[in-house]
Amino acid sequence: TQLLEQSPQFLSIQEGENLTVYCNSSSVFSSLQWYRQEPGEGPVLLVTVVTGGEVKKLKRLTFQFGDARKDSSLHITAAQPGDTGLYLCAGDPTGGTSYGKLTFGQGTILTVHP
Amino acid sequence: KAGVTQTPRYLIKTRGQQVTLSCSPISGHRSVSWYQQTPGQGLQFLFEYFSETQRNKGNFPGRFSGRQFSNSRSEMNVSTLELGDSALYLCASSGGGPTDTQYFGPGTRLTVL
Repeated sequence: TQLLEQSPQFLSIQEGENLTVYCNSSSVFSSLQWYRQEPGEGPVLLVTVVTGGEVKKLKRLTFQFGDARKDSSLHITAAQPGDTGLYLCAGDPTGGTSYGKLTFGQGTILTVHP
Repeated sequence: KAGVTQTPRYLIKTRGQQVTLSCSPISGHRSVSWYQQTPGQGLQFLFEYFSETQRNKGNFPGRFSGRQFSNSRSEMNVSTLELGDSALYLCASSGGGPTDTQYFGPGTRLTVL
């Protein structure tokens, strides 16, 4: 059983469409990070959400942290081929006592077709 | 500021051999974490070092070991390689505090034949 469940696992859409990726857990997280990873490269941090109910916007990307801090979502508006990649949510469910250990979701592979 | 660097980027080894991977953290960062990424298991935590001390360890066999030097650079060693050790090995650096963000390097792709 994954501590962080991401859905969907795969997403194939056309340029210009909107999409939402979900990250759910039964555990409370003090913060959640979203990363994007391209093939053969390391994950690149997109955003960190800390406060329950928080909404952060990064150009066409909108990130939301659930009120209970157990779930998060990533919404992309008008997707572009450059958004293609593996999207990962990650966090520490131990309130900061698990030094250096992030728990990752399984990831969502997004493909945006021109 | 330079990012996290990892060397080498690619490695091919045969079963039974051992391998050492290197990670240089962002300047000023004292924590280095190592992860293994495979298509089936995703990203799994190996261990974390802070100020030359291992503070945390994941559920990997003793063949996987690491160390950190006084300049915060870290190495990871895998002995007696198995086919299943083929993976992308990622290191991440941070300030070491409980809420500090981790920044990842590009990874080392290890293939075991």
